[in-house]
Amino acid sequence: KAGVTQTPRYLIKTRGQQVTLSCSPISGHRSVSWYQQTPGQGLQFLFEYFSETQRNKGNFPGRFSGRQFSNSRSEMNVSTLELGDSALYLCASSEVSGGSYEQYFGPGTRLTVT
Amino acid sequence: SQQGEEDPQALSIQEGENATMNCSYKTSINNLQWYRQNSGRGLVHLILIRSNEREKHSGRLRVTLDTSKKSSSLLITASRAADTASYFCATDDLGQGGSEKLVFGKGTKLTVNP
Repeated sequence: KAGVTQTPRYLIKTRGQQVTLSCSPISGHRSVSWYQQTPGQGLQFLFEYFSETQRNKGNFPGRFSGRQFSNSRSEMNVSTLELGDSALYLCASSEVSGGSYEQYFGPGTRLTVT
Repeated sequence: SQQGEEDPQALSIQEGENATMNCSYKTSINNLQWYRQNSGRGLVHLILIRSNEREKHSGRLRVTLDTSKKSSSLLITASRAADTASYFCATDDLGQGGSEKLVFGKGTKLTVNP
C-alpha cells in the first residue's frame, strides 16, 4: 500500500495570508490526525477526523481548521498566518479512531511564515 | 500539554553500544507507543505496549512499562549509525471530543557514532 502523502512538502507564506495543506491517508484508513511540530513546543495535536467528522481537537486558536472528505483525504487550513505558525505540519492516518492504535505518518509539510 | 517526558534529551553513543531512553507520563493510560523520527521527516511507529503488559520486544528493541511509576523505557541493543534519530514516546489521552488522542513527549535525540 502507498504511504501517507502530504502536499505541498514546503511552503513559504507571508504574515496575514492563509494556507491549505493536504493529506492523503493510507488506503482504507478512515482516521486522519494533524500535528504541529516546532522546536520549542514539540509535537502538538491539532485535530482528528474520522469518517468526515472531527472527533477531537487540540488547544489551538480558531484560525486552525480542517476537514475530511468522503474519500478520507483531509485538508487543514490556517488563516491570518503569524510568524509563530512556522512549523512542520504532520498528518497521520490509522484504521480506527483514537490514540490506542498505531498511526502512520506522512513526511510533513514545512511551513515558513515570513 | 505534554504527557510524556523523555530522558535524556540527547544521547551520544558508539556503534555497537546499547541505548536506553526513558519516558515518564502523568495520567493513567491504556497504552504507550514509541516512534522514531529521522531529521525533519515524518514519524515511524516502533512499538506499542498496552497497560497490562510489562515488556515487549521487536527485533533489537525492548520496551518496558511500569504503570505504578508511570514510566517506560526503550532499549536499542547493538546500535547502528542508522539508528541516529529522535525517539518519542506517546500516550493516549482522552480529549475534548471524548475520543482518545496521542500526546507526545519532546523526544530524545540519539546520535550513534560509527
